[in-house]
Amino acid sequence: DAKTTQPNSMESNEEEPVHLPCNHSTISGTDYIHWYRQLPSQGPEYVIHGLTSNVNNRMASLAIAEDRKSSTLILHRATLRDAAVYYCILRDNNYGQNFVFGPGTRLSVLP
Amino acid sequence: DAGITQSPRHKVTETGTPVTLRCHQTENHRYMYWYRQDPGHGLRLIHYSYGVKDTDKGEVSDGYSVSRSKTEDFLLTLESATSSQTSVYFCAISESLRENYGYTFGSGTRLTVV
Repeated sequence: DAKTTQPNSMESNEEEPVHLPCNHSTISGTDYIHWYRQLPSQGPEYVIHGLTSNVNNRMASLAIAEDRKSSTLILHRATLRDAAVYYCILRDNNYGQNFVFGPGTRLSVLP
Repeated sequence: DAGITQSPRHKVTETGTPVTLRCHQTENHRYMYWYRQDPGHGLRLIHYSYGVKDTDKGEVSDGYSVSRSKTEDFLLTLESATSSQTSVYFCAISESLRENYGYTFGSGTRLTVV
């Protein structure tokens, strides 16, 4: 089973910021937090990843809690093209340190 | 996606027939993965490979086998397809298991078993 929990769905208005939460209470000290997203009818694609401090790239920002038991993916200005399923992932020791996906959060963006 | 190709993109087959899905990469990445995706389950890992002839089982491996005789190809075989194997199958590749290396996914194969 996935080591993270996320809300099943969220809704946002276009051009507004979106904060997607993720809980990972069993995270170890060396686990990175990875975020992927899956657009309709496509395979997942990389969004961002981080260990402790907050991370930024051209797609999003990742805010990691000080105790690392939760994190938040931030889309600063949602567009219609950001409507997707967002996955928060930790590597899983049971499967050779590979990614195990949960159901993710389905983000709807309203015009 | 550039560098990773899945074939076929769509397939309809009958229950009890063997089916092979192919994942081909041009990135020379060591690690390859097969996932299936069903409504409400996200992606579930079927099998993975750490290199040529080096494979292991994932969380939902029953009814599936894999082979990797060349770095660039990772085959997923359903020996005797069942309706429960109707799904979308995704292949992924990765250069390393180190944390700064992520996955690149293919576009998926939609398999229907009737």
